[in-house]
Amino acid sequence: QKEVEQNSGPLSVPEGAIASLNCTYSDRGSQSFFWYRQYSGKSPELIMSIYSNGDKEDGRFTAQLNKASQYVSLLIRDSQPSDSATYLCAVRTGGGNKLTFGTGTQLKVEL
Amino acid sequence: EAQVTQNPRYLITVTGKKLTVTCSQNMNHEYMSWYRQDPGLGLRQIYYSMNVEVTDKGDVPEGYKVSRKEKRNFPLILESPSPNQTSLYFCASTPWAGNTEAFFGQGTRLTVV
Repeated sequence: QKEVEQNSGPLSVPEGAIASLNCTYSDRGSQSFFWYRQYSGKSPELIMSIYSNGDKEDGRFTAQLNKASQYVSLLIRDSQPSDSATYLCAVRTGGGNKLTFGTGTQLKVEL
Repeated sequence: EAQVTQNPRYLITVTGKKLTVTCSQNMNHEYMSWYRQDPGLGLRQIYYSMNVEVTDKGDVPEGYKVSRKEKRNFPLILESPSPNQTSLYFCASTPWAGNTEAFFGQGTRLTVV
């Protein structure tokens, strides 16, 4: 079992719709969770971080964490073509500073 | 401006010719790491450093070396590059304490022929 799992996609949504991206992780001791957006050939940029169970909202983005189910998700409301990118889920594991990444979900927002 | 700077951005080299990719951060972060990114495999950690003169292997260290002589710099060394090291490489830095994200450099696209 991979430490951090994501569906590779592509996930296609129409402009203005809600995009839902999911991630599961295997280390129950994980405390910090991050969503990064990565455009092709560019470096990852942080979208959201979440540390406690529940929802965290920032503009059009909402991160959801359920530690009991070992599940973290990212919702993007009012999706725009500029949101088309690969979204990486990252989990801080092992009690240290190591970030373990999922393979990413490619999101395509269609006009 | 807080940043992580990698050089070069693009590099084409031949098998066996030693090369170094530099990484420098201006945020006084303790923790630095190198990742490689390959299609379908995501970002995989090569090496990391918890502070000056403290380095350790990540998940895919074979064929790579690192050093940390100064806090701000963390170069990645390929002593004898091979075609399977063709990849997109990222350097990242993180403050040691606290639940903070990693800051990434711009990336280095390496091709070994």
